[in-house]
Amino acid sequence: EAGVTQSPRYAVLQEGQAVSFWCDPISGHDTLYWYQQPRDQGPQLLVYFRDEAVIDNSQLPSDRFSAVRPKGTNSTLKIQSAKQGDTATYLCASSRDWGNYAEQFFGPGTRLTVL
Amino acid sequence: QQQVRQSPQSLTVWEGETAILNCSYEDSTFNYFPWYQQFPGEGPALLISIRSVSDKKEDGRFTIFFNKREKKLSLHITDSQPGDSATYFCAATLNNYAQGLTFGLGTRVSVFP
Repeated sequence: EAGVTQSPRYAVLQEGQAVSFWCDPISGHDTLYWYQQPRDQGPQLLVYFRDEAVIDNSQLPSDRFSAVRPKGTNSTLKIQSAKQGDTATYLCASSRDWGNYAEQFFGPGTRLTVL
Repeated sequence: QQQVRQSPQSLTVWEGETAILNCSYEDSTFNYFPWYQQFPGEGPALLISIRSVSDKKEDGRFTIFFNKREKKLSLHITDSQPGDSATYFCAATLNNYAQGLTFGLGTRVSVFP
């Protein structure tokens, strides 16, 4: 069974530029999460979906960040106008929704550097 | 305020020793506590987890001890191996169906042969 895949693996951009991250979850996983992990810190939840519906995006900086999962499979996270403070690794994870204590499987992440 | 706290920030042990990693949390509604292991350049991977109805969970060389009254956990790695060198994250959630995790800042473990 293939794991969670993410692309690109690395991105470097200037402040003010836009960037998109793509995630392909494990087949059959209906819950998908995006986390931001600053250097030497733990992951912090940005948003998560159940199928195509956003369940919680309260931690997503809505003025510049957006996330979609239109068909309930792949997902895209976009930063409209990047800032140096956005420098971090962006992790995607997925889990099966049914049953409690669902294990989250993480992808390798996209390491973003904003100059 | 950090909802999940971990200590120490870093830990060095010799091969064969026991590494002890500590975690505490604020939200008394948390009822599921997974520990994740992360190697450089990789995403976190689930190592072991415990539910709040238990006070101990063992899986090979890894054991979680849980004290609900004090809102504290610890992860014990016995017979530490150089391959255990990684960053370990304590996480917590109220797990009524799949929900996001709240992570601590992590403990970086180095095991020297």
